[in-house]
Amino acid sequence: KQEVTQIPAALSVPEGENLVLNCSFTDSAIYNLQWFRQDHGKGLTSLLLIQSSQREQTSGRLNASLDKSSGRSTLYIAASQPGDSATYLCAVNSGYSTLTFGKGTMLLVSP
Amino acid sequence: EPEVTQTPSHQVTQMGQEVILRCVPISNHLYFYWYRQILGQKVEFLVSFYNNEISEKSEIFDDQFSVERPDGSNFTLKIRSTKLEDSAMYFCAGTQTGDTEAFFGQGTRLTVV
Repeated sequence: KQEVTQIPAALSVPEGENLVLNCSFTDSAIYNLQWFRQDHGKGLTSLLLIQSSQREQTSGRLNASLDKSSGRSTLYIAASQPGDSATYLCAVNSGYSTLTFGKGTMLLVSP
Repeated sequence: EPEVTQTPSHQVTQMGQEVILRCVPISNHLYFYWYRQILGQKVEFLVSFYNNEISEKSEIFDDQFSVERPDGSNFTLKIRSTKLEDSAMYFCAGTQTGDTEAFFGQGTRLTVV
């Protein structure tokens, strides 16, 4: 059974810092991995999708990497802003198109 | 930009009552899903739906739950007899194929009292 773990559970940084969020998964036989953002009590916004054959994806200030063999992904956020404050979720598609989620990293960026 | 629309945004119901949560997926999506998130916990998969039938369901999705796509646009989740532990945020999602980007709705917060 796939298990997804995200470290750290919470992170507080001053504005402007670059930061890295970590995601690990137990079964490396995945189709893809997706990062989401969730504002408090709200829905999930897709940030990046990495297919199993890819090593990284970039969107603006976000860069996600995938090391399938070691069961790890990182989300790099450059020049963080207060508007980046949210919970970041990692989700793995291990087959049948369903996603297994981690518990998330709650990020607070202070001005 | 196309989006997944869920209604209602918040529903309060009495224990034992039936509820129907509604979703309008993105028009070119073919795979549809329901997930739920109990407060403070992980997002959990409930069921996937493709070609007008359930393709996979989790242990949570027992006989009290059912899904339907009655008119080719709406996608619904019915809970027949709600329990207190069904209180959660329910998310509808869709994908074009089985391994493409998943898009989620804003969720329906279900409170069972």
